[in-house]
Amino acid sequence: GNSVTQMEGPVTLSEEAFLTINCTYTATGYPSLFWYVQYPGEGLQLLLKATKADDKGSNKGFEATYRKETTSFHLEKGSVQVSDSAVYFCALSKLGNEKLTFGTGTRLTIIP
Amino acid sequence: DGGITQSPKYLFRKEGQNVTLSCEQNLNHDAMYWYRQDPGQGLRLIYYSQIVNDFQKGDIAEGYSVSREKKESFPLTVTSAQKNPTAFYLCASGTGQFYEQYFGPGTRLTVT
Repeated sequence: GNSVTQMEGPVTLSEEAFLTINCTYTATGYPSLFWYVQYPGEGLQLLLKATKADDKGSNKGFEATYRKETTSFHLEKGSVQVSDSAVYFCALSKLGNEKLTFGTGTRLTIIP
Repeated sequence: DGGITQSPKYLFRKEGQNVTLSCEQNLNHDAMYWYRQDPGQGLRLIYYSQIVNDFQKGDIAEGYSVSREKKESFPLTVTSAQKNPTAFYLCASGTGQFYEQYFGPGTRLTVT
């Protein structure tokens, strides 16, 4: 079946540090890949997506590239801010399967 | 403004009572979903619906029930049969070829 594996958290970084949150997936064919962000006490927000190999999704300074050869979709940001503190979820969907498969989430804390 | 609304944000009930959580969307999405999130945990799918008057069980449907009488609405009832109902409940709607989902702000249910 489909699965998503994220790096274990929590992750703590200083402001302006470089961020990488690893995400790898298992799925047959060509899934679509997503990153969602959840701020404390809120629902999830779609941060970015990529729907085919080598696509790069980007939003709010975050980027992730769909790497078919390594089945990965790592989230990166060049310079994090305190306001980026949140839980980040990687997810995938498959054509013909209307459910999303989520990773377990990675809690990110940015300290000033 | 298009979006998903969940009400109320906080809900308190006594053990043994059924409680219904509201979810409304004006995005004209066909699909709607209910997830449960426990502290520090990922999301678990309770029920989902692709079209009006039809829905399917997710991974943890026991003790829950839903209805989908209108495209815009997908209420979730937490019954007294649910052994551990205290949790954060998230509703989502989805559309399109890639099945991306958009989430509401969530309802935090506390049962004592």
